[in-house]
Amino acid sequence: DAGITQSPRYKITETGRQVTLMCHQTWSHSYMFWYRQDLGHGLRLIYYSAAADITDKGEVPDGYVVSRSKTENFPLTLESATRSQTSVYFCASQKREGMNEQFFGPGTRLTVL
Amino acid sequence: GNSVTQMEGPVTLSEEAFLTINCTYTATGYPSLFWYVQYPGEGLQLLLKATKADDKGSNKGFEATYRKETTSFHLEKGSVQVSDSAVYFCALTTNTGNQFYFGTGTSLTVIP
Repeated sequence: DAGITQSPRYKITETGRQVTLMCHQTWSHSYMFWYRQDLGHGLRLIYYSAAADITDKGEVPDGYVVSRSKTENFPLTLESATRSQTSVYFCASQKREGMNEQFFGPGTRLTVL
Repeated sequence: GNSVTQMEGPVTLSEEAFLTINCTYTATGYPSLFWYVQYPGEGLQLLLKATKADDKGSNKGFEATYRKETTSFHLEKGSVQVSDSAVYFCALTTNTGNQFYFGTGTSLTVIP
């Protein structure tokens, strides 16, 4: 089914564990983004990618690692999860450079105990 | 820099009431403006957009006009329905980059 998907949809982990959130899009969009959504903060950009093998930091990158070996995938890894990383994570894609809309995945709700 | 400020919520309205959610922005360059909607348990969906001053975006009975003189993009709907209950985000992007800047969101609840 075409679109942008995220997995898992829900994840509970413990402090100090490594966690990887997956994002996959079928449109071959050039740009992909990771946001976290927290009450009172709206959406904050963690990392983004302009193309395969090109990534850049957003507003809140500390504690996160990304990679993009293929255009369609953009995984987000929490190397050593902390309670402050409990949040809802959204992946988004954008067709190309310029003022085009972003398309969002359904989100992953992550709880770090 | 670039930023979006939208009215604090939550907003509770009765069905068929008039809705306004205020949004103002600051931007370098020439922004495009967007309203996204997030229904419970889902990701954000584009509701409407406007790419230049005086443009009006509209969709599903919602409207917003890009006002450069007041740096505003207020969302309006003449008669809300229970199904409009959601969180609404105002956002901008500019021609100087690819990042989106989102407001903090306004939660709307419509009661029958």
